Amino acid sequence: KQEVTQIPAALSVPEGENLVLNCSFTDSAIYNLQWFRQDPGKGLTSLLLIQSSQREQTSGRLNASLDKSSGRSTLYIAASQPGDSATYLCAVRGNQGGKLIFGQGTELSVKP
Amino acid sequence: DVKVTQSSRYLVKRTGEKVFLECVQDMDHENMFWYRQDPGLGLRLIYFSYDVKMKEKGDIPEGYSVSREKKERFSLILESASTNQTSMYLCASSFQGRSNEKLFFGSGTQLSVL
Repeated sequence: KQEVTQIPAALSVPEGENLVLNCSFTDSAIYNLQWFRQDPGKGLTSLLLIQSSQREQTSGRLNASLDKSSGRSTLYIAASQPGDSATYLCAVRGNQGGKLIFGQGTELSVKP
Repeated sequence: DVKVTQSSRYLVKRTGEKVFLECVQDMDHENMFWYRQDPGLGLRLIYFSYDVKMKEKGDIPEGYSVSREKKERFSLILESASTNQTSMYLCASSFQGRSNEKLFFGSGTQLSVL
């Protein structure tokens, strides 16, 4: 059974720092992996989707990498800003299709 | 931009009431999903649908049912609301197919059952 883990559960950094959020999964037979952002009391916004055949995806200051063999993905945020403060979740979809399995998320706080 | 609209932002209901949560998407997505999100438990899939009139159980379908009569609309029904169904409910949709399966979420409905 696929399990997705995000450590740490919370992270606080000063503005301007580059930072890395981690996501690990137990079954490497994945179809794709997505990173989402969630603001308090709101829905999730998809940030990046990486197909199983890809190694990374970039969007602006965000870069997501995927290493299937080690069961890991990272989300790199460059030059962090207070507006980046939110909970970041990763989710994987297995090769057998169907549903996404979500991690519990990392709550990021960027201090001015 | 894709828009997934949930009919209510906040909802307060009494135990035993029948509750309808509505979700509409405007991008002709085949897939639609209902999740609930609870502190410490994360997101859990209740039901999903790959096509009109088609539904599949997720991880926690007990106490819920769904309806998908039209492609753009996916309804979640709480047959007899209970206090343990107090939660944030999130609807999502996506295309089928490997290249464009990004999941788009609505803003959520915070349901309180008293």
